[in-house]
Amino acid sequence: LAKTTQPISMDSYEGQEVNITCSHNNIATNDYITWYQQFPSQGPRFIIQGYKTKVTNEVASLFIPADRKSSTLSLPRVSLSDTAVYYCLVGDIRGGATNKLIFGTGTLLAVQP
Amino acid sequence: DVKVTQSSRYLVKRTGEKVFLECVQDMDHENMFWYRQDPGLGLRLIYFSYDVKMKEKGDIPEGYSVSREKKERFSLILESASTNQTSMYLCASRNSQSYGYTFGSGTRLTVV
Repeated sequence: LAKTTQPISMDSYEGQEVNITCSHNNIATNDYITWYQQFPSQGPRFIIQGYKTKVTNEVASLFIPADRKSSTLSLPRVSLSDTAVYYCLVGDIRGGATNKLIFGTGTLLAVQP
Repeated sequence: DVKVTQSSRYLVKRTGEKVFLECVQDMDHENMFWYRQDPGLGLRLIYFSYDVKMKEKGDIPEGYSVSREKKERFSLILESASTNQTSMYLCASRNSQSYGYTFGSGTRLTVV
């Protein structure tokens, strides 16, 4: 299973765009990249997932370069409510539970007024 | 709205007690997981199940067991609770063809 490395914490201000980068040098051919968001005292919540290039949904964008050894989660115009821990996970999401995802320690994003 | 429900938000148990943490999902998912989360350590996988009566050890199974008698229910059992099992426990489920996990709200267990 590919190990991921991401910054422990980041600071931002309301209205700014925030980019959180994750390194996954050992990503395998069948691995997808998934990001989760977790608020205090809640379970993680799925944000976005991608395999290559760019993926966008109503919440965020995910940029994946051609070599797939890193990925960047982009949050446009953050607000105070975006303060949370963000996890980058890499794994093969197909098939059964044996293709389990490994969570790292995540990035604590603190948004200030 | 699809849901993973954990039976208790907060539990306080004594050392040596047998503890049951229950998790129910209403999405007909095949795969279910138990994680624990501790400050500075992130989420660590304890056990998972890919079908009824099937179970697999995760990364930290010692001191825990699980039961999956029905598809929608996955129970985590602490046979003899110890203080180092004080933690936030998170249950999750996933469809074999889906892209994401759905997590419950967690159970904060304190063993005294």
